[in-house]
Amino acid sequence: GAGVSQSPRYKVAKRGQDVALRCDPISGHVSLFWYQQALGQGPEFLTYFQNEAQLDKSGLPSDRFFAERPEGSVSTLKIQRTQQEDSAVYLCASSLGGRGPGADTQYFGPGTRLTVL
Amino acid sequence: SQQGEEDPQALSIQEGENATMNCSYKTSINNLQWYRQNSGRGLVHLILIRSNEREKHSGRLRVTLDTSKKSSSLLITASRAADTASYFCATDMDSNYQLIWGAGTKLIIKP
Repeated sequence: GAGVSQSPRYKVAKRGQDVALRCDPISGHVSLFWYQQALGQGPEFLTYFQNEAQLDKSGLPSDRFFAERPEGSVSTLKIQRTQQEDSAVYLCASSLGGRGPGADTQYFGPGTRLTVL
Repeated sequence: SQQGEEDPQALSIQEGENATMNCSYKTSINNLQWYRQNSGRGLVHLILIRSNEREKHSGRLRVTLDTSKKSSSLLITASRAADTASYFCATDMDSNYQLIWGAGTKLIIKP
C-alpha cells in the first residue's frame, strides 16, 4: 500500500508569499501530525489532528501558520506572508489510532523542503 | 523546544563494529521511541520502549531505558553501511499529543 505522501517536495518562495503544503496520509489513519525540521535538528511538533478535529495546535509558531484536515484525510499546512525563518523541512506523519503520539507507530512522509528567499 | 539530547552528536565507526547512542530527556514520559532518518527513506520508526520497560530488542537493535536517570541508549550491533543515518529519540508525555525530539546522532559506517 502507499505510504504518506507530501507535495510539493520542494518549494521556493519569496518573502511575503503564501504557501500551501499538502499531506496525503495512509488511508484509514486517524491521526495526522505536522512537524517542522530545521537543518541539523530534530523535528519540532506543530499540530495534531484526530480525524478532522485539530486537537493540538500549540506548536504552530505564529498566527501565520494554519492547518486543516476538513474531511479527515488530506491535510494542508498553510503559511502566510512567509519569512526567511520559515525555511525548513515540513514533515507530515500519520498513525492508525487516535490515542496519542506514543500509542501507535507514526509513518512519515518524505517532507517538503521550503526555502524562503 | 527540544526535550531530548542525543550523545554523541556524530559517530563514525567501521562496518561490523557496534554503535551506541545515548539520549537524555528532561521530564517524565509515557514512552520513548527511536527513529532513523536518511535521505533515501526519510524518517523511519525503529523501536518504542514504554516507561515501565527497561530493555527491548529488535533484530540488531537493543534499547535500554533508565527512568531514574532520564536516559536511554540505542545499541546497533554488527553495523552495516546501510545503517549510516541520523538517529533520533522522541518522547511523549501523558498530557498532550506531542512527540518531543532530540537533535539526533549522525552515524557514519565506514566500509
